[in-house]
Amino acid sequence: NAGVTQTPKFRILKIGQSMTLQCTQDMNHNYMYWYRQDPGMGLKLIYYSVGAGITDKGEVPNGYNVSRSTTEDFPLRLELAAPSQTSVYFCASSYSTGAGYTFGSGTRLTVV
Amino acid sequence: GENVEQHPSTLSVQEGDSAVIKCTYSDSASNYFPWYKQELGKGPQLIIDIRSNVGEKKDQRIAVTLNKTAKHFSLHITETQPEDSAVYFCAVTPGNDMRFGAGTRLTVKP
Repeated sequence: NAGVTQTPKFRILKIGQSMTLQCTQDMNHNYMYWYRQDPGMGLKLIYYSVGAGITDKGEVPNGYNVSRSTTEDFPLRLELAAPSQTSVYFCASSYSTGAGYTFGSGTRLTVV
Repeated sequence: GENVEQHPSTLSVQEGDSAVIKCTYSDSASNYFPWYKQELGKGPQLIIDIRSNVGEKKDQRIAVTLNKTAKHFSLHITETQPEDSAVYFCAVTPGNDMRFGAGTRLTVKP
């Protein structure tokens, strides 16, 4: 049972570079989410999706883009990376809004 | 947007003692209240949750209580063990997403 799988686990980017953080789930969950967690802080919602083809902004969407072409995959795209995007990124999924989330193990991103 | 306040930010207890973490929220539309445990280097893991039509829920050494009128809910851990040491997050669901508290770092001293 894989659950939510995130790749890569670690990445160092130079300012201005771009990258895509991958997230895939095998639980047939409709709802998927991207959060970022800064050191010693809670989780801030970047984007979420309630189903294939539908995405919505969260609390901190600036500098990011997402797409949801399939139920399984929810990639997060960083364009023109900035030091402020240094963080740990977590992808999560759930079968409904009133249900617990299953989180991936995270991607630690450093922008230098 | 929804405001979730979590206290305390750090908590240190002796093994065998109880630990209590409290969260308050502002949006009365929230009706699902989960708690997550995050160990070092890992993603958060759901440990217990409660819905708005229930006042208390227990699962072995862990319990959650909810006061919807006062808009606060608490996590109670009894007979704490060193493996309970982690960061704990409360969360609320005001809409299609979940908003988290800032976290409580619990340390259980052997």
